[in-house]
Amino acid sequence: GAVVSQHPSRVICKSGTSVKIECRSLDFQATTMFWYRQFPKQSLMLMATSNEGSKATYEQGVEKDKFLINHASLTLSTLTVTSAHPEDSSFYICSASFRGGTQTQYFGPGTRLLVL
Amino acid sequence: SQKIEQNSEALNIQEGKTATLTCNYTNYSPAYLQWYRQDPGRGPVFLLLIRENEKEKRKERLKVTFDTTLKQSLFHITASQPADSATYLCALTTGGGNKLTFGTGTQLKVEL
Repeated sequence: GAVVSQHPSRVICKSGTSVKIECRSLDFQATTMFWYRQFPKQSLMLMATSNEGSKATYEQGVEKDKFLINHASLTLSTLTVTSAHPEDSSFYICSASFRGGTQTQYFGPGTRLLVL
Repeated sequence: SQKIEQNSEALNIQEGKTATLTCNYTNYSPAYLQWYRQDPGRGPVFLLLIRENEKEKRKERLKVTFDTTLKQSLFHITASQPADSATYLCALTTGGGNKLTFGTGTQLKVEL
């Protein structure tokens, strides 16, 4: 149980284009979803927290107009990287937790983004 | 400033031995501490959670201790196997929310 999927797993795009990443909880309703970014040899850095039906809460230093997050249903959250640049190339990972559960987060497999 | 520190150097041990990984934190009062496993190119996988009022937690070959006075958690894998080779991350939850802050992780290599 508690499976989270991400799509796509890898994406290569040209500089200036936008990329959308989907995060789905497959067998539970995720009241909260989190988006992280991980650079090589570094730990996960939280970008934003999103609750279903409300605006995402962004961490300090994360541009909300660049990283658009939508959490329209209890099983789907999307992250759109707008006007991507090479420095946005990274490993993006989502996670989900559910109401009434423990503090555990269930992570997706990640999306590798390469901006040329 | 707040810090979560894990051994940055890889830990190499022989199969069958016990691996011990350390997580130290400063300027946090975590309500929970969690350990995750991450394989290359994959998302983290939850292993164990321990609460601030718990000293020790076990699950199969895994054991976690939590010392809020020392501000330290130890993660043990007994009878280690090559399949245990991965990066292990500790993460803290503070306050009433469920936001996680991760340590830098320690890479474990179990050799035959």
